[in-house]
Amino acid sequence: GAVVSQHPSWVICKSGTSVKIECRSLDFQATTMFWYRQFPKQSLMLMATSNEGSKATYEQGVEKDKFLINHASLTLSTLTVTSAHPEDSSFYICSAVQAPTDTQYFGPGTRLTVL
Amino acid sequence: AQSVSQHNHHVILSEAASLELGCNYSYGGTVNLFWYVQYPGQHLQLLLKYFSGDPLVKGIKGFEAEFIKSKFSFNLRKPSVQWSDTAEYFCAVTAPNAGKSTFGDGTTLTVKP
Repeated sequence: GAVVSQHPSWVICKSGTSVKIECRSLDFQATTMFWYRQFPKQSLMLMATSNEGSKATYEQGVEKDKFLINHASLTLSTLTVTSAHPEDSSFYICSAVQAPTDTQYFGPGTRLTVL
Repeated sequence: AQSVSQHNHHVILSEAASLELGCNYSYGGTVNLFWYVQYPGQHLQLLLKYFSGDPLVKGIKGFEAEFIKSKFSFNLRKPSVQWSDTAEYFCAVTAPNAGKSTFGDGTTLTVKP
């Protein structure tokens, strides 16, 4: 149980285009999901907290207009990187929180490369 | 604000050696504590967690961790490592009901066969 999927697993796009990444909790409902960036050989950097039915909460320094988050249902959150640039190239990871233990389960990540 | 410190950036061990990875956190209140593992090419997986009760927590694959409240520590241990334990290990702290976790910088464990 407690499986989280992400789609796509990798994506290459041209600079200036937008990319949508999906995060799904497959066998549980999650009112809260998190989006992280992970740089090579570094830890996870929390970008935002996605709450079902309400606006996402962004961490300091993360542009909300750049990284659009939509938590449309209890099993799906999407991250859209708008007008992507090469510096947005990274590994994006989502996690879903399983109540009542508040344990996070992580997706496999999405490798974004912006040319 | 919470912070998590993992003292060892890279640990190299031979098979059958004992392992201890340090994790210290700074937060004044009650916390939930986690260790995650990321095997090469795979996603983060939960190794073990501590919420309350017995401070010695046993997780998967023979790992255990001990919560020492007075030292704000949650060190990860394994008596005898295997080559397959080669991975990145992350300690994380969550304030109950706060939702988001703070992660340490991670420790890369390399086990030589």
